[in-house]
Amino acid sequence: GDSVTQMEGPVTLSEEAFLTINCTYTATGYPSLFWYVQYPGEGLQLLLKATKADDKGSNKGFEATYRKETTSFHLEKGSVQVSDSAVYFCALMRETGGFKTIFGAGTRLFVKA
Amino acid sequence: KAGVTQTPRYLIKTRGQQVTLSCSPISGHRSVSWYQQTPGQGLQFLFEYFSETQRNKGNFPGRFSGRQFSNSRSEMNVSTLELGDSALYLCASRSGVMDTEAFFGQGTRLTVV
Repeated sequence: GDSVTQMEGPVTLSEEAFLTINCTYTATGYPSLFWYVQYPGEGLQLLLKATKADDKGSNKGFEATYRKETTSFHLEKGSVQVSDSAVYFCALMRETGGFKTIFGAGTRLFVKA
Repeated sequence: KAGVTQTPRYLIKTRGQQVTLSCSPISGHRSVSWYQQTPGQGLQFLFEYFSETQRNKGNFPGRFSGRQFSNSRSEMNVSTLELGDSALYLCASRSGVMDTEAFFGQGTRLTVV
């Protein structure tokens, strides 16, 4: 079945460091790919998405490119801030009679000042 | 416009009881999905409703059920609560069947004692 694998955390970085969170997926067909962010005590917020191969999603300095050949959707940011500390979830959605989103386990990011 | 509203935010129930959680989607959105989030299992899909019809269902026992009303508001019910049902229950709404962007509520934190 469909699945999403993302790097285990926690990831601890200093402010202004470069961030990469790896994400790979397994799915039949052509799923849409997403990154969601969850701040403490909150629900999930959509960070960015890509709906087809080679699409690049970007938002708030974060980027991810849909790589079908490597079934990957790695999240990157050039310079993290303390306010980026949160849990990041990679996810895929595929139409299977209805829509079901499959999430990765989440990666907790701590950014130190 | 208002976001996805889930009530109540926090709930404490005793084993064996039943519970009903409510989700009001964004105005105009017709699709509502439910997810269970636990530290051990992560985010798991429960079910999706569109126009009062269940379109997709995850791998949860029959104690978990849901419904959607004509105004798109949705409820999920868990009967005969078990300690393992303690979790954050998240609701997400989408505008239509083919729309891949989901907006999440803040969740209902259920604790079973």
